[in-house]
Order: sequence, then structure tokens, then C-alpha cells
Amino acid sequence: GAVVSQHPSRVICKSGTSVKIECRSLDFQATTMFWYRQFPKQSLMLMATSNEGSKATYEQGVEKDKFLINHASLTLSTLTVTSAHPEDSSFYICSASRSVGEQFFGPGTRLTVL
Amino acid sequence: AQSVTQLGSHVSVSEGALVLLRCNYSSSVPPYLFWYVQYPNQGLQLLLKYTSAATLVKGINGFEAEFKKSETSFHLTKPSAHMSDAAEYFCAVSGTNAGKSTFGDGTTLTVKP
Repeated sequence: GAVVSQHPSRVICKSGTSVKIECRSLDFQATTMFWYRQFPKQSLMLMATSNEGSKATYEQGVEKDKFLINHASLTLSTLTVTSAHPEDSSFYICSASRSVGEQFFGPGTRLTVL
Repeated sequence: AQSVTQLGSHVSVSEGALVLLRCNYSSSVPPYLFWYVQYPNQGLQLLLKYTSAATLVKGINGFEAEFKKSETSFHLTKPSAHMSDAAEYFCAVSGTNAGKSTFGDGTTLTVKP
């Protein structure tokens, strides 16, 4: 149990386009989902925390208009990178948690912006 | 405020040798502590967690960690390394069991045959 999926696993897009990444908790209801960004050989940096039905809470320095997060249901959160640029290329990882219990991480999405 | 320091960005051991990955934390509230493993181009897998119960925590794949409040440490150990243990390891601290976590910079474990 406690499986989190992400789609797509890899995406390549042109500069200026928008990319949507989905994060799903497959076998449990996630009251909270987290979005992280990871640069090569570096740690995870929390971008935002999202709770179902409410606005996401963004970490300092993260542009909320650029990284749109929607948590429409207890099993789905989406991250949209708007007007992507090469510097947005990164590994994006989501995690989901229940009211009690650890975070369960998705497999990650590799975004490459040309 | 919370922070995590992982001492040693790279650790290399021989197969069969003891694995010791160091983690020190700071937290203004009683911490929850986690160790995760990450294989290339994959997400994170939880190895073990400390949630204020037993100070010696046993996890998957033969790993364990000991919470030492006096030393603010949560070092990860495994008695005998396997080749399959080669990966990136992250220590993380949270103020709650399901709240957001702060991650250390990670330690790359290399296992030599």
C-alpha cells in the first residue's frame, strides 16, 4: 500500500510552453501533498505544500505564478510549470501524506526545457 | 526552525563492511527524523523513521539508526554492506510525522567489491 505515482516520468518541452505534472496517491487519501525540486547531485528543496481544496503554501523564493499547484481531490495534485525556461529543467518529486504517517514519495518527473 | 547536516557527502566502503552515515539535526520542537534512500532517477524510499518511541530504530534492508538527543544525532548504520546498497541517502527532520520535512544535502554511498 501507500503508492504514489507521477505522470509523466520524463518530459521535454520547448522554452515558453507550459508543462503539467500529475501526482496521484493510488491507494490512500492524501490530505497533504508536497512538491519538491531536485537539482543534479543535490538535495530536495521543498517548493510548496498543498492541502485538498485550499490554496497551496509556497516556500520563500518560489514563484507561485510560475509554479501553479492544484490539489483538486484527496488523490490528485498537479504542478504546472508555466512559460518554462531552461533554468526550470530539474527533477520534480511529489510526496503525499495521510493525517497520520510518513510522506510517501512519487518516482519523480524529469523536466528538460530546450 | 529545523535543519539537518549530513557529515560526508561521499562514503565508500567495501562489500561486507560496516556502513555508517552521519546525520545531525537541529529542531525547535521534538523532532521526527527520517532516513531515505534514492536510486538514480527515482523517488525516495523510506528506510526508517524516529517518532519519539524507541530510540533505536530498525528499518528495511538491514539498516538501523539510533536517536541520541544529547548529541542531536541520528546516524544510520548497517553491519554489512551489499553492492545493492550503493545509492544516495538523505536524512530529514520534521516537526510532525506528516508535516513538511527539511532534508540534508545527501550522502552518496559507494560499495566496493
